[in-house]
Amino acid sequence: QLQLQESGPGLGKPSETLSLTCTVSGGSISSSSYQWGWIRQPPGNGLEWIGSIHYSGSTYHNPSLKSRVTMSVDTSKHQFSLMLSSMTAADTAVYYCATGVGGIFDYWGQGTLVTVSS
Amino acid sequence: EIVLTQSPDFQSVTPKEKVTITCRASQSIGSSLHWYQQKPDQSPKLLIKYASQSLSGVPSRFSGSGSGTDFTLTIISLQTEDAATYYCHQSGGLPWTFGQGTKVEIK
Repeated sequence: QLQLQESGPGLGKPSETLSLTCTVSGGSISSSSYQWGWIRQPPGNGLEWIGSIHYSGSTYHNPSLKSRVTMSVDTSKHQFSLMLSSMTAADTAVYYCATGVGGIFDYWGQGTLVTVSS
Repeated sequence: EIVLTQSPDFQSVTPKEKVTITCRASQSIGSSLHWYQQKPDQSPKLLIKYASQSLSGVPSRFSGSGSGTDFTLTIISLQTEDAATYYCHQSGGLPWTFGQGTKVEIK
């Protein structure tokens, strides 16, 4: 069974770039069927899809975050990553990595809280 | 962007009662609608995919229906462990979006 684990700093300052990594185990990140995604949840609020990446490198992202999002995949390390630039307090949230087929998220990481504060 | 609107936002229910949560899409998404359960301090868990497809390991009291723009999640005979927030999610059009959530509380 696939397992995902997020890692990265829990605190960032306004205008900085957030960098998170998701490590995949129990399955292949090079599976042609899966898309590897990021979803966030501000404290006490609902879920927002940030974007997803295929192992081939093709990406889909939420236009609401405009050009602030960069995603990458490292198949040799069984990892995929998210960078979110120009952070503000509105980016404070629990960030989840998740995966599945066809835009469905079958497997989720435990989530990591990122707080943006000066 | 396809907007998903859930109703109600909150429901307080007695154990063994039936729960019905609806999700309305701002445009037709066929059957590309999925339901998740999120308990406090946990990650969301996929309950139903493609509107009505059950998943292995999910209790049979959970079922989904609908197509196009109107969808329903039904919990027959609510159990205390079903206290959670339920989200619908669409993969019928980019960007993928979620409903605002429905919190189910046990009376």
